[in-house]
Amino acid sequence: AQSVTQLGSHVSVSEGALVLLRCNYSSSVPPYLFWYVQYPNQGLQLLLKYTSAATLVKGINGFEAEFKKSETSFHLTKPSAHMSDAAEYFCAVSGKAAGNKLTFGGGTRVLVKP
Amino acid sequence: KAGVTQTPRYLIKTRGQQVTLSCSPISGHRSVSWYQQTPGQGLQFLFEYFSETQRNKGNFPGRFSGRQFSNSRSEMNVSTLELGDSALYLCASSDPTGGEGYGYTFGSGTRLTVV
Repeated sequence: AQSVTQLGSHVSVSEGALVLLRCNYSSSVPPYLFWYVQYPNQGLQLLLKYTSAATLVKGINGFEAEFKKSETSFHLTKPSAHMSDAAEYFCAVSGKAAGNKLTFGGGTRVLVKP
Repeated sequence: KAGVTQTPRYLIKTRGQQVTLSCSPISGHRSVSWYQQTPGQGLQFLFEYFSETQRNKGNFPGRFSGRQFSNSRSEMNVSTLELGDSALYLCASSDPTGGEGYGYTFGSGTRLTVV
């Protein structure tokens, strides 16, 4: 069975500071990993995905994530937070063994302080 | 390319009623998945349809059902609504022929409130 744990349901950062959102996964087979962002009253927008190519994945809006198999982690970072980054972020895992469905973490809500 | 379209955006229904939600995937995408999002349970997988066939199902009661049409549009139905069915229902469109680890594009969701 696959699962995802996101450490911290809420994160507060100052504008211009580093954003670090933590994600650990559990999967019996090499996983596909995703980060999605959700703005209020919106659906989910894909930020980036890992599909066994480069372990450092660059996404939209200046975000990137690094796949670390030894730590079963896929943390999301952005060097400098912007007010527009205030949203909820979801890490998700999928894989053939689970029929390619997405299993999501509980989400991390990011607050950006001016 | 048009995105994933879900209708309606908002719905208010009474306990015991039934409801049908609609999802039009991205043109050319033959897979449609449905997810339920609630504050308590988070995002949970309902089911996936590919070429009009359900090929994966989550752990939801039989009151939740779906179907897919030949043009890939999908509907989900919830019968005998309960207060706990109040949620944001998200539809995701994907192209499994694009190789492994294909991404999912989500619609804006249908906010269902059961009173």
